[in-house]
Amino acid sequence: SAVISQKPSRDICQRGTSLTIQCQVDSQVTMMFWYRQQPGQSLTLIATANQGSEATYESGFVIDKFPISRPNLTFSTLTVSNMSPEDSSIYLCSVGVAGAGEQYFGPGTRLTVT
Amino acid sequence: DAKTTQPPSMDCAEGRAANLPCNHSTISGNEYVYWYRQIHSQGPQYIIHGLKNNETNEMASLIITEDRKSSTLILPHATLRDTAVYYCIQDATGTASKLTFGTGTRLQVTL
Repeated sequence: SAVISQKPSRDICQRGTSLTIQCQVDSQVTMMFWYRQQPGQSLTLIATANQGSEATYESGFVIDKFPISRPNLTFSTLTVSNMSPEDSSIYLCSVGVAGAGEQYFGPGTRLTVT
Repeated sequence: DAKTTQPPSMDCAEGRAANLPCNHSTISGNEYVYWYRQIHSQGPQYIIHGLKNNETNEMASLIITEDRKSSTLILPHATLRDTAVYYCIQDATGTASKLTFGTGTRLQVTL
Protein backbone atom coordinates (compact mmCIF):
# COMPACT_ATOMS: atom_id res chain seq x y z
CA SER A 1 0.00 0.00 0.00
CA ALA A 2 0.95 3.67 -0.12
CA VAL A 3 0.28 6.62 2.15
CA ILE A 4 -0.83 9.70 0.30
CA SER A 5 -1.19 13.22 1.58
CA GLN A 6 -2.77 16.21 -0.10
CA LYS A 7 -2.44 19.91 0.56
CA PRO A 8 -4.53 21.87 1.20
CA SER A 9 -7.27 19.72 2.67
CA ARG A 10 -9.82 22.41 1.84
CA ASP A 11 -9.93 25.93 0.54
CA ILE A 12 -12.39 28.66 -0.33
CA CYS A 13 -11.36 30.70 -3.35
CA GLN A 14 -12.73 33.59 -5.34
CA ARG A 15 -13.72 33.19 -8.94
CA GLY A 16 -11.03 34.03 -11.45
CA THR A 17 -8.20 32.89 -9.20
CA SER A 18 -6.14 29.69 -9.34
CA LEU A 19 -5.35 27.04 -6.76
CA THR A 20 -2.54 24.50 -6.81
CA ILE A 21 -3.12 21.21 -5.03
CA GLN A 22 -0.19 19.08 -3.96
CA CYS A 23 -0.07 15.29 -3.74
CA GLN A 24 2.77 13.57 -1.89
CA VAL A 25 3.31 9.80 -1.71
CA ASP A 26 5.48 8.03 0.85
CA SER A 27 7.08 5.76 -1.77
CA GLN A 28 7.97 5.83 -5.43
CA VAL A 29 5.03 4.88 -7.60
CA THR A 30 4.58 4.29 -11.29
CA MET A 31 1.23 5.88 -11.89
CA MET A 32 -0.44 8.94 -10.46
CA PHE A 33 -3.92 10.10 -11.29
CA TRP A 34 -6.11 13.12 -10.56
CA TYR A 35 -9.86 12.77 -10.08
CA ARG A 36 -12.69 15.22 -9.52
CA GLN A 37 -15.79 14.52 -7.48
CA GLN A 38 -18.52 17.08 -7.90
CA PRO A 39 -21.09 17.47 -5.12
CA GLY A 40 -23.20 14.34 -4.76
CA GLN A 41 -21.53 12.69 -7.74
CA SER A 42 -19.12 9.86 -8.40
CA LEU A 43 -15.47 10.30 -9.26
CA THR A 44 -14.34 11.38 -12.71
CA LEU A 45 -10.78 11.01 -13.92
CA ILE A 46 -9.17 14.29 -14.96
CA ALA A 47 -5.78 13.08 -16.10
CA THR A 48 -2.87 10.73 -15.65
CA ALA A 49 0.21 12.51 -14.33
CA ASN A 50 3.26 11.28 -16.21
CA GLN A 51 6.69 11.67 -14.67
CA GLY A 52 8.91 13.81 -16.82
CA SER A 53 6.36 14.44 -19.54
CA GLU A 54 3.02 16.11 -20.17
CA ALA A 55 -0.03 14.69 -18.44
CA THR A 56 -2.59 12.67 -20.36
CA TYR A 57 -6.00 14.32 -20.13
CA GLU A 58 -9.40 12.69 -20.36
CA SER A 59 -12.12 13.94 -22.62
CA GLY A 60 -13.57 17.18 -21.34
CA PHE A 61 -10.46 18.26 -19.44
CA VAL A 62 -7.74 20.49 -20.91
CA ILE A 63 -4.27 21.45 -19.86
CA ASP A 64 -4.97 25.18 -19.82
CA LYS A 65 -7.65 24.68 -17.17
CA PHE A 66 -5.98 21.89 -15.18
CA PRO A 67 -2.20 22.06 -15.60
CA ILE A 68 -0.45 19.16 -13.93
CA SER A 69 3.15 18.67 -12.95
CA ARG A 70 4.95 15.54 -11.87
CA PRO A 71 8.61 16.28 -11.27
CA ASN A 72 9.44 12.92 -9.66
CA LEU A 73 7.96 9.56 -8.66
CA THR A 74 6.54 10.72 -5.33
CA PHE A 75 5.02 14.14 -6.02
CA SER A 76 2.48 15.80 -8.29
CA THR A 77 0.50 19.02 -8.44
CA LEU A 78 -2.83 19.90 -10.00
CA THR A 79 -3.73 23.53 -10.62
CA VAL A 80 -7.32 24.60 -11.07
CA SER A 81 -7.06 27.77 -13.15
CA ASN A 82 -9.39 30.72 -13.58
CA MET A 83 -11.87 29.17 -11.22
CA SER A 84 -15.63 29.48 -11.41
CA PRO A 85 -18.28 28.19 -8.97
CA GLU A 86 -18.68 25.12 -11.23
CA ASP A 87 -15.18 24.07 -10.17
CA SER A 88 -16.37 23.56 -6.61
CA SER A 89 -15.56 19.89 -6.05
CA ILE A 90 -13.38 17.48 -4.19
CA TYR A 91 -10.13 16.83 -6.01
CA LEU A 92 -8.38 13.56 -5.29
CA CYS A 93 -5.07 12.10 -6.32
CA SER A 94 -4.44 8.41 -6.51
CA VAL A 95 -1.44 6.21 -7.14
CA GLY A 96 -0.92 2.82 -8.66
CA VAL A 97 1.94 0.41 -8.93
CA ALA A 98 2.38 -1.54 -12.13
CA GLY A 99 1.66 -5.19 -11.54
CA ALA A 100 -0.46 -4.56 -8.47
CA GLY A 101 -3.61 -3.32 -10.13
CA GLU A 102 -5.22 -1.53 -7.23
CA GLN A 103 -5.01 2.20 -6.65
CA TYR A 104 -4.65 4.10 -3.41
CA PHE A 105 -6.33 7.45 -2.92
CA GLY A 106 -5.44 10.55 -1.04
CA PRO A 107 -7.91 12.17 1.37
CA GLY A 108 -8.96 14.76 -1.17
CA THR A 109 -9.00 18.56 -1.36
CA ARG A 110 -12.39 20.17 -0.91
CA LEU A 111 -12.56 23.30 -3.04
CA THR A 112 -15.30 25.90 -2.83
CA VAL A 113 -15.33 28.73 -5.34
CA THR A 114 -17.36 31.82 -4.50
CA ASP B 1 -19.57 5.47 -19.01
CA ALA B 2 -19.33 2.88 -16.24
CA LYS B 3 -19.55 -0.69 -17.50
CA THR B 4 -21.04 -2.17 -14.35
CA THR B 5 -24.48 -1.83 -12.80
CA GLN B 6 -25.25 -1.82 -9.09
CA PRO B 7 -28.35 -1.15 -6.99
CA PRO B 8 -28.35 2.46 -5.80
CA SER B 9 -28.81 1.64 -2.13
CA MET B 10 -29.01 -1.17 0.41
CA ASP B 11 -29.57 -1.51 4.13
CA CYS B 12 -27.98 -4.00 6.46
CA ALA B 13 -28.30 -4.63 10.17
CA GLU B 14 -25.14 -4.42 12.19
CA GLY B 15 -23.58 -7.84 12.74
CA ARG B 16 -25.27 -9.35 9.72
CA ALA B 17 -23.63 -10.13 6.41
CA ALA B 18 -23.89 -7.45 3.73
CA ASN B 19 -24.14 -8.87 0.22
CA LEU B 20 -23.60 -6.27 -2.49
CA PRO B 21 -24.33 -7.39 -6.05
CA CYS B 22 -22.78 -6.14 -9.28
CA ASN B 23 -23.52 -6.90 -12.90
CA HIS B 24 -20.66 -6.76 -15.41
CA SER B 25 -22.08 -8.59 -18.40
CA THR B 26 -19.63 -7.01 -20.87
CA ILE B 27 -16.50 -8.04 -19.01
CA SER B 28 -13.73 -9.35 -21.23
CA GLY B 29 -11.30 -12.16 -20.53
CA ASN B 30 -8.48 -9.96 -19.29
CA GLU B 31 -10.58 -7.70 -17.09
CA TYR B 32 -10.71 -8.05 -13.35
CA VAL B 33 -13.51 -7.01 -11.03
CA TYR B 34 -12.44 -4.42 -8.45
CA TRP B 35 -14.31 -3.22 -5.41
CA TYR B 36 -13.68 0.10 -3.71
CA ARG B 37 -15.61 1.94 -1.08
CA GLN B 38 -15.85 5.58 -0.12
CA ILE B 39 -16.73 6.50 3.40
CA HIS B 40 -18.20 9.95 3.72
CA SER B 41 -15.64 12.75 3.29
CA GLN B 42 -12.79 10.35 2.60
CA GLY B 43 -10.97 9.13 -0.50
CA PRO B 44 -11.97 5.78 -1.96
CA GLN B 45 -10.48 2.70 -0.32
CA TYR B 46 -9.49 -0.43 -2.20
CA ILE B 47 -11.26 -3.54 -0.89
CA ILE B 48 -10.60 -6.54 -3.10
CA HIS B 49 -10.34 -7.69 -6.68
CA GLY B 50 -10.63 -10.95 -8.61
CA LEU B 51 -10.58 -12.50 -12.06
CA LYS B 52 -12.66 -15.66 -11.92
CA ASN B 53 -11.94 -17.41 -8.65
CA ASN B 54 -13.53 -16.37 -5.40
CA GLU B 55 -11.29 -14.20 -3.28
CA THR B 56 -11.14 -13.41 0.41
CA ASN B 57 -9.10 -10.99 2.44
CA GLU B 58 -9.33 -9.40 5.86
CA MET B 59 -12.00 -6.99 4.70
CA ALA B 60 -14.34 -8.98 2.51
CA SER B 61 -15.06 -11.89 0.20
CA LEU B 62 -15.66 -11.66 -3.51
CA ILE B 63 -17.83 -14.23 -5.22
CA ILE B 64 -17.72 -14.24 -9.04
CA THR B 65 -20.18 -16.29 -11.06
CA GLU B 66 -18.84 -18.94 -13.37
CA ASP B 67 -19.78 -16.95 -16.47
CA ARG B 68 -18.12 -13.87 -14.90
CA LYS B 69 -21.09 -11.68 -15.72
CA SER B 70 -21.84 -10.81 -12.12
CA SER B 71 -20.28 -10.82 -8.70
CA THR B 72 -21.13 -10.26 -5.06
CA LEU B 73 -19.09 -8.51 -2.43
CA ILE B 74 -19.68 -9.93 1.02
CA LEU B 75 -18.93 -8.12 4.25
CA PRO B 76 -19.38 -11.00 6.68
CA HIS B 77 -20.21 -9.01 9.83
CA ALA B 78 -21.15 -5.47 8.90
CA THR B 79 -20.52 -2.69 11.40
CA LEU B 80 -21.61 0.93 11.44
CA ARG B 81 -18.16 1.85 10.11
CA ASP B 82 -18.94 -0.06 6.93
CA THR B 83 -21.55 2.53 5.98
CA ALA B 84 -20.23 3.86 2.67
CA VAL B 85 -20.70 3.95 -1.08
CA TYR B 86 -19.39 0.76 -2.64
CA TYR B 87 -18.11 0.80 -6.22
CA CYS B 88 -17.74 -2.22 -8.47
CA ILE B 89 -15.34 -1.62 -11.39
CA GLN B 90 -14.18 -3.82 -14.22
CA ASP B 91 -10.70 -3.11 -15.51
CA ALA B 92 -7.54 -4.74 -16.72
CA THR B 93 -4.97 -5.31 -14.00
CA GLY B 94 -1.23 -5.20 -14.14
CA THR B 95 -1.35 -1.68 -15.46
CA ALA B 96 -2.80 0.24 -12.52
CA SER B 97 -4.87 1.86 -15.22
CA LYS B 98 -7.44 4.59 -14.87
CA LEU B 99 -10.63 3.63 -13.06
CA THR B 100 -14.12 4.39 -14.34
CA PHE B 101 -16.39 4.87 -11.36
CA GLY B 102 -20.11 4.33 -11.68
CA THR B 103 -22.67 5.55 -9.20
CA GLY B 104 -22.09 2.67 -6.78
CA THR B 105 -24.28 1.26 -4.00
CA ARG B 106 -24.85 3.29 -0.88
CA LEU B 107 -24.78 0.79 1.99
CA GLN B 108 -26.38 1.93 5.22
CA VAL B 109 -25.59 -0.24 8.23
CA THR B 110 -28.06 0.23 11.07
CA LEU B 111 -28.32 -0.85 14.68
